[in-house]
Amino acid sequence: KQEVTQIPAALSVPEGENLVLNCSFTDSAIYNLQWFRQDPGKGLTSLLLIQSSQREQTSGRLNASLDKSSGRSTLYIAASQPGDSATYLCAVTSGGGADGLTFGKGTHLIIQP
Amino acid sequence: GAVVSQHPSWVICKSGTSVKIECRSLDFQATTMFWYRQFPKQSLMLMATSNEGSKATYEQGVEKDKFLINHASLTLSTLTVTSAHPEDSSFYICSAWDSQETQYFGPGTRLLVL
Repeated sequence: KQEVTQIPAALSVPEGENLVLNCSFTDSAIYNLQWFRQDPGKGLTSLLLIQSSQREQTSGRLNASLDKSSGRSTLYIAASQPGDSATYLCAVTSGGGADGLTFGKGTHLIIQP
Repeated sequence: GAVVSQHPSWVICKSGTSVKIECRSLDFQATTMFWYRQFPKQSLMLMATSNEGSKATYEQGVEKDKFLINHASLTLSTLTVTSAHPEDSSFYICSAWDSQETQYFGPGTRLLVL
């Protein structure tokens, strides 16, 4: 059974810092990996999707890498801003879009102004 | 981008009553929809996979007679929590697959059972 772990569980830093959030998964036979953002009491916003054949994806100040063989992904946030404060979730799927996602518990991020 | 809506966004009900939550894909057809549940400070857990016109597939530990799922059309899936109890209080989120690369998530429904 796939398990997804995210470290750290919580992180609080001053704005402007560069951050790295970590995600690991136990079964390397994944189809893709996604990073989401969840604001308190809200749904999910997809940030980046990495296919199993890819090594990284970038969107603005966000960069996600994937090392499928070691079961790891990192989300890099450059020049953090208070608006980046949210919970960041990592999720994997083994069978493509037709299969459900397995989520980690998330990293609760606070960016101090 | 693709939009998925959920209704209601929040609901409070008495123990023993049933609650229906709707999930709609607004601008695309979704062959498959998923239902997730999130307890406080926990990760989202997949409850069931719903395919249009067929019976839903439930994850281990999810009672199919308690959580009734109907996927009658390519744009609508419903989750009915029957005889709800306080332990069913949670955040329920649906997602819809557009037969491409990813799932699109709804905004979620917060259920509180008194």
